[in-house]
Amino acid sequence: KNEVEQSPQNLTAQEGEFITINCSYSVGISALHWLQQHPGGGIVSLFMLSSGKKKHGRLIATINIQEKHSSLHITASHPRDSAVYICAVYGNKLVFGAGTILRVKS
Amino acid sequence: DAGVTQSPTHLIKTRGQQVTLRCSPISGHKSVSWYQQVLGQGPQFIFQYYEKEERGRGNFPDRFSARQFPNYSSELNVNALLLGDSALYLCASSWGGLAAGELFFGEGSRLTVL
Repeated sequence: KNEVEQSPQNLTAQEGEFITINCSYSVGISALHWLQQHPGGGIVSLFMLSSGKKKHGRLIATINIQEKHSSLHITASHPRDSAVYICAVYGNKLVFGAGTILRVKS
Repeated sequence: DAGVTQSPTHLIKTRGQQVTLRCSPISGHKSVSWYQQVLGQGPQFIFQYYEKEERGRGNFPDRFSARQFPNYSSELNVNALLLGDSALYLCASSWGGLAAGELFFGEGSRLTVL
């Protein structure tokens, strides 16, 4: 079993839909990162969480340390949100999930 | 302000050769970490350096080594290149360690081993 599991692996949504991407992990961590990667390779950090909830624009990230689970929500999705979303957890090293490929259709 | 810069952006090597990749962090950032991303897969953690000391290492062979300089820039060296080392190598900087704040990634160095 992988240390970090993301679901779904692929997600297609219509513009305007509310999107949720989940991340579960099996190790003790001190931080969790949500990252966005567009085709061509560039990675952008969306959030770093150690507890609770953070919001930035249409993006919301939550983490439940006891349940070892985090979610990334996108409200009012837009085609420009199409990208790969990656969860990465930090215990004594950074471990990445396999990513969720999101496609938002107009 | 300049972001994280990596060089070279693309390079081609042959099996058995050695390669050095360079990373300049954002000004004020003291931590640099390195990642390997094989085409179609997620990134894999290679190294983290903070204040010029190695603070973490992923599951990579000893052919991979790195160092951080007094100005906090960093180099990743890979010896005895194998075909499987072909990948995008990403560098990220942060002001503290990997739990201290957001990571800022460079555009990567794409290595092709023939």
